Order: sequence, then structure tokens, then C-alpha cells
Amino acid sequence: AQSVTQPDIHITVSEGASLELRCNYSYGATPYLFWYVQSPGQGLQLLLKYFSGDTLVQGIKGFEAEFKRSQSSFNLRKPSVHWSDAAEYFCAVYSGGGADGLTFGKGTHLIIQP
Amino acid sequence: DVKVTQSSRYLVKRTGEKVFLECVQDMDHENMFWYRQDPGLGLRLIYFSYDVKMKEKGDIPEGYSVSREKKERFSLILESASTNQTSMYLCASRPGQAGYGYTFGSGTRLTVV
Repeated sequence: AQSVTQPDIHITVSEGASLELRCNYSYGATPYLFWYVQSPGQGLQLLLKYFSGDTLVQGIKGFEAEFKRSQSSFNLRKPSVHWSDAAEYFCAVYSGGGADGLTFGKGTHLIIQP
Repeated sequence: DVKVTQSSRYLVKRTGEKVFLECVQDMDHENMFWYRQDPGLGLRLIYFSYDVKMKEKGDIPEGYSVSREKKERFSLILESASTNQTSMYLCASRPGQAGYGYTFGSGTRLTVV
């Protein structure tokens, strides 16, 4: 079965600094990969997704992610964070085996320092 | 703007009550899902449905059931609510092709007292 690991439970970044959130997955083939963001008390919003093609994908709100097959990673990046980026970020994988749902990592809580 | 709508943002129910959580999507998606979200555990799949009247168990179906009588509506039912079912419940839908991604509702925070 596939699994997703987000090794950082909390990350604190100063406003204007760059950001990288880590995600590693366990799956034999190339899965579909997603990053979602959740603001407090809200549902999940899709930031970006990868399932084929260019390994560097661009998303909304200035985020990007790079798929690295050799490292089984799909890290999320942003060159300059804003206070409004403070939220919970989830990496997720879909293995393509049927109609079942995504497998999520446990999330990374991003704190922005002024 | 396409959306998934969960009928209640907050619910407080008593132990033993039968609880219905409703979810409606307006995107004509074939697949719908119910997750629960708990601190430190992330999101866990309860049930999903890939067609009207069809349902499949997810990772944690115990204590829950679902109903999908119409394509746009997917209901989660707690037959006899217990305090360990206090959680955030998230509904999602997606088309037949998983690469299009999943659209989530805003969630229902259920407290069982």
C-alpha cells in the first residue's frame, strides 16, 4: 500500500523568506501526487498536482513542487512567503488503482513570523 | 464556481443519537468521499462511492454508514454517535479521472457529548 511521509510537523519561517516543505512517498510506480492547503477551520484547497510530464509543476498562490523519482519526493516550494500562507499543508498520493481515495501525509503546520 | 457543500459547519450531538452529515456537489462527479481529520492522525478515509447506490469501505468504516441515492449527494450516517467520533469530517468529490484532483468541502466539525 502507498504511504506518504511529511517529516516536519511544524515549520516556522519569517515573512519574505523562502519555503520548502518536504514530502516522501512510498509506491512502486509513478503515482499521482498532490499538495493541498488548509486554512484554520476550512476545507482543503488544491495547490498543485503532478501525474506526468514536466517534473517541476506550478500551482496557485506562487507555489511550485518538484517530483524527484530517484528520491521518491515531491517537495513544495515558495520563493517568498506571505503572512497569509500560514496554514496546514498536506501532501497526498493516488496510486491509480481504482476509485478509492487519496492517501494523505499527516500534514505540516506552517507558522509565519513577522 | 464549482463546489462541494457540506450542510453544517458545526454540530453538537448527544451520545447515542443518529447523526446525518450531508454533502452535495455540483460538478457531476462520479466519485465522492468522506474523510475524518484528527490532530496528529491527518485525514483518514471512511467511505467512498463511485456511482449512485454504490459504496466501498475506506480505512476506518466502523461505526459509520453512507447513502448515495442521487449522484450529487453523499450522506454520512453515524448510527449511534459516540464521543470518539468527535472530529472534523470532510467530504470530497472527483471525476472519473483521478488526475483532475479532488475538490473538498469546508468540513463539518462534529462534537459528541
